[in-house]
Amino acid sequence: EDQVTQSPEALRLQEGESSSLNCSYTVSGLRGLFWYRQDPGKGPEFLFTLYSAGEEKEKERLKATLTKKESFLHITAPKPEDSATYLCAVASGGSYIPTFGRGTSLIVHP
Amino acid sequence: GAVVSQHPSRVICKSGTSVKIECRSLDFQATTMFWYRQFPKQSLMLMATSNEGSKATYEQGVEKDKFLINHASLTLSTLTVTSAHPEDSSFYICSATLAGETYEQFFGPGTRLTVL
Repeated sequence: EDQVTQSPEALRLQEGESSSLNCSYTVSGLRGLFWYRQDPGKGPEFLFTLYSAGEEKEKERLKATLTKKESFLHITAPKPEDSATYLCAVASGGSYIPTFGRGTSLIVHP
Repeated sequence: GAVVSQHPSRVICKSGTSVKIECRSLDFQATTMFWYRQFPKQSLMLMATSNEGSKATYEQGVEKDKFLINHASLTLSTLTVTSAHPEDSSFYICSATLAGETYEQFFGPGTRLTVL
């Protein structure tokens, strides 16, 4: 059974204070690892898909990296508008249904 | 691209009534759509997977007679909560995958259901 663990559960940063969110996973045959951003009362917004170890993707202040056991979402010089819950999910084997982690709630103070 | 809409965004109903939620893929065809439920400060809980033209596949513990799912076309899936009760109050979110690219899911904005 696929497992996804995100840490920390909650993170408070000052504006401009860079940090990383972690997503550890256990799967049988990774098909893809996904990062989403979810604002309160809204559906998740797709950010990245990573397929193989060593892969990196960037979007504005966000950079996602992938190893064989975990993925990091690096946030460089965050702004208050980056405050949200960040969800990680993995798809594996023959299943196209991702397993989601519980998310990391990020608050960036001005 | 890959925009998914949901309607309504918010609904309040009386106990015992039925509520229908629509999920549409606006700019792509979605062979597969998913319905999730999310409780406050918790992650997404998959309820069912629906494929166009076939019966939905429900996750263990989800009552198929209570949560009716219809995927009538490549752009529309509906979730009907039948005989709703207060415990059905929740945030319901649908998602869709692009035909031929089955791993990335694109989510709708969600529907907040409150049953009085």
